[in-house]
Amino acid sequence: AQSVTQLDSQVPVFEEAPVELRCNYSSSVSVYLFWYVQYPNQGLQLLLKYLSGSTLVKGINGFEAEFNKSQTSFHLRKPSVHISDTAEYFCALGGGSYIPTFGRGTSLIVHP
Amino acid sequence: DGGITQSPKYLFRKEGQNVTLSCEQNLNHDAMYWYRQDPGQGLRLIYYSQIVNDFQKGDIAEGYSVSREKKESFPLTVTSAQKNPTAFYLCASSIKPALTSGSRHEQFFGPGTRLTVL
Repeated sequence: AQSVTQLDSQVPVFEEAPVELRCNYSSSVSVYLFWYVQYPNQGLQLLLKYLSGSTLVKGINGFEAEFNKSQTSFHLRKPSVHISDTAEYFCALGGGSYIPTFGRGTSLIVHP
Repeated sequence: DGGITQSPKYLFRKEGQNVTLSCEQNLNHDAMYWYRQDPGQGLRLIYYSQIVNDFQKGDIAEGYSVSREKKESFPLTVTSAQKNPTAFYLCASSIKPALTSGSRHEQFFGPGTRLTVL
C-alpha cells in the first residue's frame, strides 16, 4: 500500500518570506510525485511533477520541489511568497495503480 | 481550449431528492474520476472509469451512482441514500491507464460543484 503524509495542515507566512510545504510518501513501487494547488471554490491545477530524471523540479508561479528518495520526501518550496499564493496545496503519489494517492492538503496563508 | 467542465457550480437539494452532477471533458482522456471534498479531509474517491461502459467503485461509493455512455461524459447522481451529501464535488480525467509512463498518474480537474442539502 502507498501513502502520502502532508505534515502541516496549515502554514502561515508573511508576504515575501520563503516557504516550504512538506510531503512524505511511502511506496514499494515506482514513484511519481505531483503537487497541485487549489484556490477557494475552484478545482485543482498542477503546479509541478516528478516523473524521472533531475530530482529538482521547477513548476509554475515560482514554485519548485526536490525529490529525495532516501528521505522519501517531495517538499515544495518558494523563495518569496505573494498574497495570491494563499491556497490549499495537495501532494499526490502515483505508483502501482494509475489512480494517485492524495495527501490531506496544506493550507498556505500569506499575511501582508 | 481543451478542458473539463462541471455544471452546475452550485446546487441545492432537498432531502429525499436525487440530483445529477454533470462532468464533460474534451481532452480525449480515457479515464475519468469523481471525488468528494470535505474541509480538512482532502479528496476521497467516489467512482472511476477507465473506459466507456465500465466503471468501478472508489472508497466512498455508497449513495452515489454513475454512468459512462460516452468517452466525454461521466455524470454523477447523488441519491437519497447518501445521508450527508453536502460537500464540494470534483471531476477529473487522465490519459490511458494502460500506459506505463508516469504521465498516466497526472489528473486534470474540473472547477467543481458545491452541493448543499436544504
